[in-house]
Amino acid sequence: NAGVTQTPKFRVLKTGQSMTLLCAQDMNHEYMYWYRQDPGMGLRLIHYSVGEGTTAKGEVPDGYNVSRLKKQNFLLGLESAAPSQTSVYFCASSWTSQGTQYFGPGTRLLVL
Amino acid sequence: AQSVTQPDIHITVSEGASLELRCNYSYGATPYLFWYVQSPGQGLQLLLKYFSGDTLVQGIKGFEAEFKRSQSSFNLRKPSVHWSDAAEYFCAVGHTGTASKLTFGTGTRLQVTL
Repeated sequence: NAGVTQTPKFRVLKTGQSMTLLCAQDMNHEYMYWYRQDPGMGLRLIHYSVGEGTTAKGEVPDGYNVSRLKKQNFLLGLESAAPSQTSVYFCASSWTSQGTQYFGPGTRLLVL
Repeated sequence: AQSVTQPDIHITVSEGASLELRCNYSYGATPYLFWYVQSPGQGLQLLLKYFSGDTLVQGIKGFEAEFKRSQSSFNLRKPSVHWSDAAEYFCAVGHTGTASKLTFGTGTRLQVTL
């Protein structure tokens, strides 16, 4: 039981490049979330999903897209990376809407 | 809009001393409240949560928190801090909508001196 895993752990991009961050959970959770963490700002919700095939915008969705084709996976895409997207990205999942969120170890992204 | 304030950016305590981390929230309804801990280079781990009922909540690692509606606070406490408690602590308020979208505070970094 690995919990929540994130791929990759670290990535460097040039401005304008695209990439996809993968989040996988093996707990059969319905809800999944993508957050970004920036110094002095805590975590902010980017997008979330309440079940397979669903996605919704969070607090800071601009510049990101997501997909939830399989229940266990939640992908975060950056179509054209910008330096402002330099951050640490965390994925989380929960069984219910009020359930405990379990976090992955994070992906550190640097956009030059 | 809901918000969470953690007024202390950085706190230093001696090992064995007591600890209280402050958290104030703003939310229109009865809040769901959480405390998470993040060790360096790691993800977040839930320490404890409050949904309803007893306002004094016990968590893991000897932590507790008390919900005080009149003060809009949910302060985290530990009677005796261990060096391994050094980490960053986040308070969060949960939304009672269609998903548990959490609003996090900016965090308090705890340093423990020996």
